[in-house]
This record gives sequence, C-alpha cells and structure tokens, in this order.
Amino acid sequence: GAVVSQHPSRVICKSGTSVKIECRSLDFQATTMFWYRQFPKKSLMLMATSNEGSKATYEQGVEKDKFLINHASLTLSTLTVTSAHPEDSSFYICSANGLAGKYEQYFGPGTRLTVT
Amino acid sequence: QQQVKQSPQSLIVQKGGISIINCAYENTAFDYFPWYQQFPGKGPALLIAIRPDVSEKKEGRFTISFNKSAKQFSLHIMDSQPGDSATYFCAATGSYQLTFGKGTKLSVIP
Repeated sequence: GAVVSQHPSRVICKSGTSVKIECRSLDFQATTMFWYRQFPKKSLMLMATSNEGSKATYEQGVEKDKFLINHASLTLSTLTVTSAHPEDSSFYICSANGLAGKYEQYFGPGTRLTVT
Repeated sequence: QQQVKQSPQSLIVQKGGISIINCAYENTAFDYFPWYQQFPGKGPALLIAIRPDVSEKKEGRFTISFNKSAKQFSLHIMDSQPGDSATYFCAATGSYQLTFGKGTKLSVIP
C-alpha cells in the first residue's frame, strides 16, 4: 500500500516551453500532496503544499506563477513548469500523506526535468 | 536556520558492520521522526519512523534510537549490506510538513 506514482519519469524540453508533471496516489486518497525539488547531492527542498480543491501554499522564494500546482482530486496533483529555463532543470518529487496517520508522507519516484 | 542537523555527511562501513547516522533537532514541537532511504535517481522511501513516546523502535535490521531530553535521534543499520548503500535522510515534523536533514551517503563495502 501507499504507492505514489509520477509521470513522466524523465522529460526534456526546450527553453520557453511548459511542462506538466503528474503525481498520483494509487491506493489511497491523499488530501495533502507536496512538491519538492532536489538538486544533485542535496536534500529535498519543499516547493509547495497542495490540498485537494484549494489553492496551493508556496514556500518563500518559489514563484507561484512559474510553478503552477493543481490538486483537482484526492488522487491527483499536477505541477506545471511554465516558460521553462535551463535553471529549472532539476529533480522534482511529489509526496502524499499516507493512510496510517496525518504525518506519514510517501514519495513518488521523481521526475528528471532537463531544459535545453 | 537548519532545524534538523544530520551527521555524518558520508559514511563507509564494511559489510556486516553497523551503520550509525545521527540527527539533532531544535524545535520541541516536533513529534514525528521518520527516516528515508533514497537510491540515485529515485524518490525517497519511508524506512522507519518513531514518535517521542518511545525511546527505540526496531524493524528488521533498522533501529531508531530516540533521546527526547537531548533532542537527538539516530538510525542504526545492523549487519549492513552492499544493497544498503544509499543516501539516508532524517526528518522531523509537528504538522504536515517535513523538515529534512541534509542527508548521509552510506557506502557499504564488501
């Protein structure tokens, strides 16, 4: 149980285009999902917290107009990187609150974004 | 301000040995302390977690020791195997958001 999937696993896009990353909780309903960014050999940096049916809460320094988050259902959240630039290249990981209690977070496998 | 300090940054252990990773926190409101294991190119996987009402939790070869008064907790990996080679992150929370340590890269050599 508590499986989270992400799609795509890897994506390469040209500078100026937009990319959408999907995060799904496969076997549980997730009222809260989180989006992280991870640089090589670094820890996870929380970008935003999204609750189903409401606007995402962004961390300080994260551009909400650039990283659009939609949490339309209890099993799906999407992150859209708009007008991507090479500096947006990174490993993006989502997570969702699990079944047993409100604190358990289960992570997706991550999406490697490369902007050329 | 880093609220969870993790050490060491890297660790090399012989196969069969004990791997020990330590974390210290500052926020006394934290009441849930998970450990995550991450392989290169993969998302973190929840390994084991503890709440402050117990001082130790064991799951297989993995044990968390928790010292509430010292605000410290540690992960012990018994009989370490090459397959345990990964980056380990401690975390802490008192709400929905996790605060992560900076990670420890563990290498288990044959």
